[in-house]
Amino acid sequence: QVQLQESGPGLVKPSETLSLTCIVSGGSVSSGDYYWNWIRQPPGKGLEWIGYMHDRGSTNYNPSLKSRVAISVDTSKNEFFLKLSSVTAADTAVYYCARVTMVRGHMFFDHWGQGTLVTVSS
Amino acid sequence: DIQMTQSPSSLSASVGDRVIITCRASQSISSYLNWYQKKPGKAPKLLIYAASRLQSGVPSRFSGSGSGTDFTLTISSLQPEDFATYYCQQSYGTYTFGQGTKLEIK
Repeated sequence: QVQLQESGPGLVKPSETLSLTCIVSGGSVSSGDYYWNWIRQPPGKGLEWIGYMHDRGSTNYNPSLKSRVAISVDTSKNEFFLKLSSVTAADTAVYYCARVTMVRGHMFFDHWGQGTLVTVSS
Repeated sequence: DIQMTQSPSSLSASVGDRVIITCRASQSISSYLNWYQKKPGKAPKLLIYAASRLQSGVPSRFSGSGSGTDFTLTISSLQPEDFATYYCQQSYGTYTFGQGTKLEIK
């Protein structure tokens, strides 16, 4: 059974870079069958897709965040990472990592981490 | 971006009720529509993918229908564990989610 677990600082100062790790067990981030994603949910708001990493290198980001986001992977540790630069209070959210599977051309989030709250404040 | 609009935003219902939640896309997305259940402090859970396909392990009281711009999630007979927030999500373009429908006990 695939499991994902987010880790990282719960508090980040404005203008700094938010850095999170997603530890994957029960499946390989090297597999070309899946897409490894970050999603967030600000308090009281809906879910926002941030971006994904696929096949050990290719990435795709939400255009609204593209200039500030980087997703990368460490295949030796079976982990992938999120970096979001120049954060403001608007980046305060619960951050989730999740796996996308594709079946007959349809893509969906089939496994999620529990989420980690990141607060941006001085 | 493709905007996803769910209705209602909240809903009160009783155990045993039949509940229908709707999701409308701002443009046609064929059947590239998924549904998730989210409970406080828990990870979202996939219920339905490709508009109508039941994810493995999900009870058959959940069903989905629709194509193009209009979709529905139906719970045929509400159980106590179904009280949660439900989200639709499109995978036709840049992934976007509906704003959620909170299902509460009447």
